Amino acid sequence: DGGITQSPKYLFRKEGQNVTLSCEQNLNHDAMYWYRQDPGQGLRLIYYSQIVNDFQKGDIAEGYSVSREKKESFPLTVTSAQKNPTAFYLCDTTPLGGVSNQPQHFGDGTRLSIL
Amino acid sequence: AQSVTQLGSHVSVSEGALVLLRCNYSSSVPPYLFWYVQYPNQGLQLLLKYTTGATLVKGINGFEAEFKKSETSFHLTKPSAHMSDAAEYFCAVSLLFGNEKLTFGTGTRLTIIP
Repeated sequence: DGGITQSPKYLFRKEGQNVTLSCEQNLNHDAMYWYRQDPGQGLRLIYYSQIVNDFQKGDIAEGYSVSREKKESFPLTVTSAQKNPTAFYLCDTTPLGGVSNQPQHFGDGTRLSIL
Repeated sequence: AQSVTQLGSHVSVSEGALVLLRCNYSSSVPPYLFWYVQYPNQGLQLLLKYTTGATLVKGINGFEAEFKKSETSFHLTKPSAHMSDAAEYFCAVSLLFGNEKLTFGTGTRLTIIP
């Protein structure tokens, strides 16, 4: 069954710690995206990647890093430089040719909290 | 650059009443428009989308939306609200040509009154 898997569902970060959120997809989609969701602010784009070994900053990239070594995987690292990391993080994918061909697929999200 | 405005962060309707959630957009090129629904602690589920063609779009769960270019609007409606419709709803826009990243509105929380 094709889809997007985000893990873990809940994650806790200590001060000064980097944490990595996983996003894996078996849809064979080319593009992958990371969004951050805060109450009352909707979703904001952190990073996106349209092809392996390439990625671009979104609107709120500071304090985050990503990699795209495989088509199926787009992990997001929340670094210690991100001073307000508490949020719900959502991963999204689309095929090349974009949304006109298939619906966007979102994962079920990871909720990150500070210890 | 594109943007989305959702009027009303909270909307309450009685069960069986009309649901109307408002969305206005701005875009320098013809947009793709979307409505998503989110239940607590879950990801987003696509309700419907407008790309090209017919301006009245029907989606899942009895929802529909009409693209009105002259009003730059894409309001979501459902004739008769059901208790299971209680959720948060997001309108989003993407460029017709380009990298397909979505720009979201701030969301509208829909409450259904029994």
